[in-house]
Amino acid sequence: AQKVTQAQTEISVVEKEDVTLDCVYETRDTTYYLFWYKQPPSGELVFLIRRNSFDEQNEISGRYSWNFQKSTSSFNFTITASQVVDSAVYFCALSEADDGVSGGYNKLIFGAGTRLAVHP
Amino acid sequence: EAGVAQSPRYKIIEKRQSVAFWCNPISGHATLYWYQQILGQGPKLLIQFQNNGVVDDSQLPKDRFSAERLKGVDSTLKIQPAKLEDSAVYLCASRGAVQETQYFGPGTRLLVL
Repeated sequence: AQKVTQAQTEISVVEKEDVTLDCVYETRDTTYYLFWYKQPPSGELVFLIRRNSFDEQNEISGRYSWNFQKSTSSFNFTITASQVVDSAVYFCALSEADDGVSGGYNKLIFGAGTRLAVHP
Repeated sequence: EAGVAQSPRYKIIEKRQSVAFWCNPISGHATLYWYQQILGQGPKLLIQFQNNGVVDDSQLPKDRFSAERLKGVDSTLKIQPAKLEDSAVYLCASRGAVQETQYFGPGTRLLVL
């Protein structure tokens, strides 16, 4: 069965600190996708990144970076020099490669989320 | 490009009443999802549509929840009758072509008293 674990329930940091959000996943599929979404207080889920299981290359986008390691089934997210605007709940999610109907990937399986509070 | 639209944004009802939520996906997106997010948890899929057909409704409590997507565009999710445990945020998402990302709407916050 598919499962996503975000062991950190809440993290509190001071502005400009670096912070890493952990994500560990379980799946029997060899082809799958991993995602990170941000949920600010407004409630909308904002897409941050999608990774397929064949691409283990780390990615950097501004202050954000992602470390994908299949050997440990982890897909961790680091924010460098955190800012108050980064305060939100962050979700890691997993999906199978094919839903068998639409040709696209299946439903998203979300972790419980990590609430990040960045203080001035 | 306009995002996923949902209404209402907030709804308060008493248990045993009925409620309906509406979703308008991103234009051209064939796949539409409804997720339920209970406070403190990640979203969980209720139902997935491909055009106007159901792909997955295995987690939908069919004795009280129903959903439709007439004409393969807008969708409505209904709860009848509501229970206290239905208090949650109901998120709609849509996806375009194969392998593209799911984009979410702002959600409807439901409180059942």
